[in-house]
Amino acid sequence: NAGVTQTPKFQVLKTGQSMTLQCAQDMNHEYMSWYRQDPGMGLRLIHYSVGAGITDQGEVPNGYNVSRSTTEDFPLRLLSAAPSQTSVYFCASSDRDPRNSPLHFGNGTRLTVT
Amino acid sequence: KNEVEQSPQNLTAQEGEFITINCSYSVGISALHWLQQHPGGGIVSLFMLSSGKKKHGRLIATINIQEKHSSLHITASHPRDSAVYICAVKGYGGSQGNLIFGKGTKLSVKP
Repeated sequence: NAGVTQTPKFQVLKTGQSMTLQCAQDMNHEYMSWYRQDPGMGLRLIHYSVGAGITDQGEVPNGYNVSRSTTEDFPLRLLSAAPSQTSVYFCASSDRDPRNSPLHFGNGTRLTVT
Repeated sequence: KNEVEQSPQNLTAQEGEFITINCSYSVGISALHWLQQHPGGGIVSLFMLSSGKKKHGRLIATINIQEKHSSLHITASHPRDSAVYICAVKGYGGSQGNLIFGKGTKLSVKP
């Protein structure tokens, strides 16, 4: 049982480049979300989805896009990378409202923007 | 304004000690999560609770809704318990998935 799979594990980008962080889950979870983790701060919600075709912004959405064409996949796109987007990114899923059901996390993507 | 406060920020213990990590919050909640982040970075959900107490192996989580406080206890601590422990609660408003996370408590258990 793979759970939540994130790729890549590490990425270095130059300012202005674009890239997509991949996230896939095989648990048929409706809820998926992207968080970023920065030193000295708690995890912060970037975007989330309550089901295929439905996405919404979280606390820190600027500079990121998402789509949810299938239940399994929830990619995060950086349109024009900036040094402020250097962070560790986590994808998570849950079968119900994540405020009231356990979260399943991917292993994270460490992104550096130079 | 920090809506979720964890204490202590860092904790060093000797193997076998009883450990308590605290989480205080200022918002109304429907549930509180305790998470464990391993030194390698992966995050695992330990508990989700909305009242009372839950136990899993050597880990116990309690919550007092009236006092807006939760504790995570580890009995007979072991070096493999070394990790960052994170508390998360529901935030303001009706946004789905709007959890607010504490900054974490870094635990180091020495053999």
